Amino acid sequence: DAGITQSPRYKITETGRQVTLMCHQTWSHSYMFWYRQDLGHGLRLIYYSAAADITDKGEVPDGYVVSRSKTENFPLTLESATRSQTSVYFCASSERGSGPYEQYFGPGTRLTVT
Amino acid sequence: QQPVQSPQAVILREGEDAVINCSSSKALYSVHWYRQKHGEAPVFLMILLKGGEQKGHEKISASFNEKKQQSSLYLTASQLSYSGTYFCGTMNNNAGNMLTFGGGTRLMVKP
Repeated sequence: DAGITQSPRYKITETGRQVTLMCHQTWSHSYMFWYRQDLGHGLRLIYYSAAADITDKGEVPDGYVVSRSKTENFPLTLESATRSQTSVYFCASSERGSGPYEQYFGPGTRLTVT
Repeated sequence: QQPVQSPQAVILREGEDAVINCSSSKALYSVHWYRQKHGEAPVFLMILLKGGEQKGHEKISASFNEKKQQSSLYLTASQLSYSGTYFCGTMNNNAGNMLTFGGGTRLMVKP
């Protein structure tokens, strides 16, 4: 299906485990973003990518790793999950050009770290 | 730095109007508005650009005061479907298409 998808939609993991959240978009958008959403904090940018093999830190990158080997995929890895990383994670994508452009959000992944 | 939204929450009756404000301490290039319903992803409403250009929603309007670094979202003759949390996202320059989001305004429209 066209659009932006995330998997899994729900995940429960234990402290210290590594977990990877997947994001896939079918529009060939250049920009992709990862946000976390916590009550009282709105949406905070974790990492973003301007193109394949180009990534950069956002506002709250500590404890997270990203990669982007293909334009359509932008996985987010929590190397050693902590309880403070319990959150809802949204992936988004947008075009690149003379901009600015709207961001299209995926459905989100609700992650619980026990 | 995160833009500040006000009010934090508002309750309306159908047909009433509301204004949501977004203020930044930094010079703004553009302001983006999104609406998020409970348990769903944020959905784009509109972009306001420095210089006055506006792109987006037909029934919701907004303003952008560059001097005050503020934007206001106007919801007129509100409908039940307007309920949700509204976020403003700000860009300080036209590089990277990165947004810094405010904390959100929860809007509830009652019959």
